[in-house]
Amino acid sequence: RKEVEQDPGPFNVPEGATVAFNCTYSNSASQSFFWYRQDCRKEPKLLMSVYSSGNEDGRFTAQLNRASQYISLLIRDSKLSDSATYLCVVSGGTGANNLFFGTGTRLTVIP
Amino acid sequence: GAVVSQHPSRVICKSGTSVKIECRSLDFQATTMFWYRQFPKQSLMLMATSNEGSKATYEQGVEKDKFLINHASLTLSTLTVTSAHPEDSSFYICSARVGVDQYFGPGTRLTVT
Repeated sequence: RKEVEQDPGPFNVPEGATVAFNCTYSNSASQSFFWYRQDCRKEPKLLMSVYSSGNEDGRFTAQLNRASQYISLLIRDSKLSDSATYLCVVSGGTGANNLFFGTGTRLTVIP
Repeated sequence: GAVVSQHPSRVICKSGTSVKIECRSLDFQATTMFWYRQFPKQSLMLMATSNEGSKATYEQGVEKDKFLINHASLTLSTLTVTSAHPEDSSFYICSARVGVDQYFGPGTRLTVT
């Protein structure tokens, strides 16, 4: 079983739409959770960390459900510039330095 | 945020040659750096953890004699792909941890012909 699983998409949505991505992880000992954004042929860039209480950053909202080992990202009022691949990233467990990446969900926002 | 650079950004080499990739932390010191590899349409896979002044820790399935890692200073880690083969063609990305955040280099695209 993969450490992190995501729906690869693609998600094609019109500008202004709301879109949600989901992710599940297998290691119940994981402590840290993130959403990264990766543009084509570029390195991943941190979009936001995900906290147990849920957190919001502008148009982006992240949620964590530890019981279900499930993470979500909601993007409201989609912009063309949001088009990218969104990577769900989970730490390796207590005291672990390494991160496990999902394969990413491809989003294209259409004018 | 912290800045991590990589060099070269792109390299094409012939099968059997060795390629060195440099990863630098530009505005901070990194005792630990990470090397990832990403094949097309696949997720980033951790290859090894590079520790300044000591041996790297390799993930299962990664040949340490083929992927040589040297972390000689607090700002530089190098990955050498020895005797490269076409199946080693990939996007190699390094990262460094600052607190709980990881910052990634821009990546090196290796093509072995």
